[in-house]
Amino acid sequence: EAGVTQSPTHLIKTRGQQATLRCSPISGHTSVYWYQQALGLGLQFLLWYDEGEERNRGNFPPRFSGRQFPNYSSELNVNALELEDSALYLCASGGPFSYEQYFGPGTRLTVT
Amino acid sequence: AQSVTQLDSQVPVFEEAPVELRCNYSSSVSVYLFWYVQYPNQGLQLLLKYLSGSTLVKGINGFEAEFNKSQTSFHLRKPSVHISDTAEYFCAVSASGGGTSYGKLTFGQGTILTVHP
Repeated sequence: EAGVTQSPTHLIKTRGQQATLRCSPISGHTSVYWYQQALGLGLQFLLWYDEGEERNRGNFPPRFSGRQFPNYSSELNVNALELEDSALYLCASGGPFSYEQYFGPGTRLTVT
Repeated sequence: AQSVTQLDSQVPVFEEAPVELRCNYSSSVSVYLFWYVQYPNQGLQLLLKYLSGSTLVKGINGFEAEFNKSQTSFHLRKPSVHISDTAEYFCAVSASGGGTSYGKLTFGQGTILTVHP
């Protein structure tokens, strides 16, 4: 069974630009979660999507947004990139009524 | 809200020795507990979970953890470690009900386990 996949693996952007990160969940999973792992800040919850709806949001500014598509894949958009947005962005998926989250390999975003 | 404290940022140990990685949590509601492992330049892999039932849970790669509600702890143990266990380990909690914490994992700061030959 295929795991959670993320693309691209690496992304280099300039300050002020927009970044789009993509995630495909495990087959049968309806929830997608996004986390940021920044140096010195640890793993922080960003967003949770389930059945196409945003269910919860972490303490991040509105320029962090996303969506979930009918096939349950998800996109994370970061607008007006700042240097401190440089981090590993991890996507996880979870099944219906399940509290377990299974993570993908991540997208390394570098903002210069 | 929940918080997680991993009491050791780094744990060095020799191969075949036992190891314990400590995790304490704080929460005003019931929680589910998890341990994840992260190898360099990779995502997180679920090692084990406590949702309910027996307080001693077994996971992959020979790891186990014990949930202690009175001490709000969920320490991870392995009786004999291998070089390949060298990685960063994260303890995480998730609120078992609704509310603003619903659905998200709150992580500790991580413990780097280094196994020496």
